Amino acid sequence: DADVTQTPRNRITKTGKRIMLECSQTKGHDRMYWYRQDPGLGLRLIYYSFDVKDINKGEISDGYSVSRQAQAKFSLSLESAIPNQTALYFCATSFSGGSTDTQYFGPGTRLTVL
Amino acid sequence: AQKITQTQPGMFVQEKEAVTLDCTYDTSDPSYGLFWYKQPSSGEMIFLIYQGSYDQQNATEGRYSLNFQKARKSANLVISASQLGDSAMYFCAMRDAGGNDYKLSFGAGTTVTVRA
Repeated sequence: DADVTQTPRNRITKTGKRIMLECSQTKGHDRMYWYRQDPGLGLRLIYYSFDVKDINKGEISDGYSVSRQAQAKFSLSLESAIPNQTALYFCATSFSGGSTDTQYFGPGTRLTVL
Repeated sequence: AQKITQTQPGMFVQEKEAVTLDCTYDTSDPSYGLFWYKQPSSGEMIFLIYQGSYDQQNATEGRYSLNFQKARKSANLVISASQLGDSAMYFCAMRDAGGNDYKLSFGAGTTVTVRA
């Protein structure tokens, strides 16, 4: 099945460590996104990429960076993790050629920064 | 400014009954899309239904239907014949072309608990 996968699914790390979250998709979609979810706040956009050479900041990009290594891969890095980056992180993909541009989400990565 | 408002933090519904989840939105863009997602306790985000701003008819997908009232800027989700597996958090989201960003803005969500 065409899918969106995220690794790792769970991660506990310490303040100051560098962390990379990875996202891969087999949907053939061109657009990819990173969100974080905090309790009571819904999802907030961190970064998005409309193709391999296009990277854009979302509403909460400070403290994060991304890399679009290929159309199917989009990774999120926390250069120096801090406790308020503890959250559930989602990768999503969408297809610009469709009529709805619906975003499909990966299973999420639960990150805890101690 | 808040683009998506979900005023019901939590709701209880009896199995086999219908439930309506409220969603109001704010945009000045004439072209936009409205989405509903389900997040069960396992955490994944599942796409349920889409309504485009120019769609003449309300969207339906199985037991899910969207009550789209454009003038009121509301896009309420109706779940008919509720099942225990419908217990989850539900998010309303909107994509508009504001700033040409085509970003998806989410509401804070509504938790639905289905009682047997």
